[in-house]
Amino acid sequence: QVQLVQSGAEVKKPGASVKVSCKASGYTFTSYDIHWVRQAPGQGLEWMGRINPSGGSTSYAQKFQGRVTMTRDTSTSTVYMELSSLRSEDTAMYYCARVSYCSGGSCYHLYYWGQGTLVTVSS
Amino acid sequence: DIQMTQSPSTLSASVGDRVTITCRASQSISSWLAWYQQKPGKAPNLLIYKASSLETGVPSRFSGSGSGTEFTLTISGLQPDDFATYYCQQYNSYPWTFGQGTKVEIK
Repeated sequence: QVQLVQSGAEVKKPGASVKVSCKASGYTFTSYDIHWVRQAPGQGLEWMGRINPSGGSTSYAQKFQGRVTMTRDTSTSTVYMELSSLRSEDTAMYYCARVSYCSGGSCYHLYYWGQGTLVTVSS
Repeated sequence: DIQMTQSPSTLSASVGDRVTITCRASQSISSWLAWYQQKPGKAPNLLIYKASSLETGVPSRFSGSGSGTEFTLTISGLQPDDFATYYCQQYNSYPWTFGQGTKVEIK
């Protein structure tokens, strides 16, 4: 069965960076895009970006351009999301999610989700 | 970027009620819209994709409709398990964007 297992909670100081991992299993890793979505406490869902694990291509939300980097390691079926220059507003639960399917170069809606990684930014 | 606007932000309803949530896109997204349910402390759960397709295993009391810029999620006969927050999301083009959410509360 498809599983996305994320790394554990992190506490970081303002200005630092955090790197969250998302290990995939139960399917062909390179066949489906992985997306990152975050949720600040009591707030809504915010799309951060996506990576195509096959070629490594990425798309990021403008809000995070220059601060976020998504990478993958095909040997371990793991995707990483690194966010730099952290500030208190980055305190949130970070989710990785896999698309339901891809066809003809496009991918469609999110179906499988990781358990979330809580990142706390505090001095 | 395509903005997704949900209404209402909060909805108070009773068990058995018919509930409708609206989602509007700032430009046409064809039918590339999904609806998710989220409960506290949990990841979102897919209910509807391609605007009106019910995900396998989701109760038939959930239905979606619309295309272009106007979409609705309807729950016909609200059940105790349905009290949660609902989000629409467009996947027509990057950046994918979510609505701000609609919290369905017990009246």
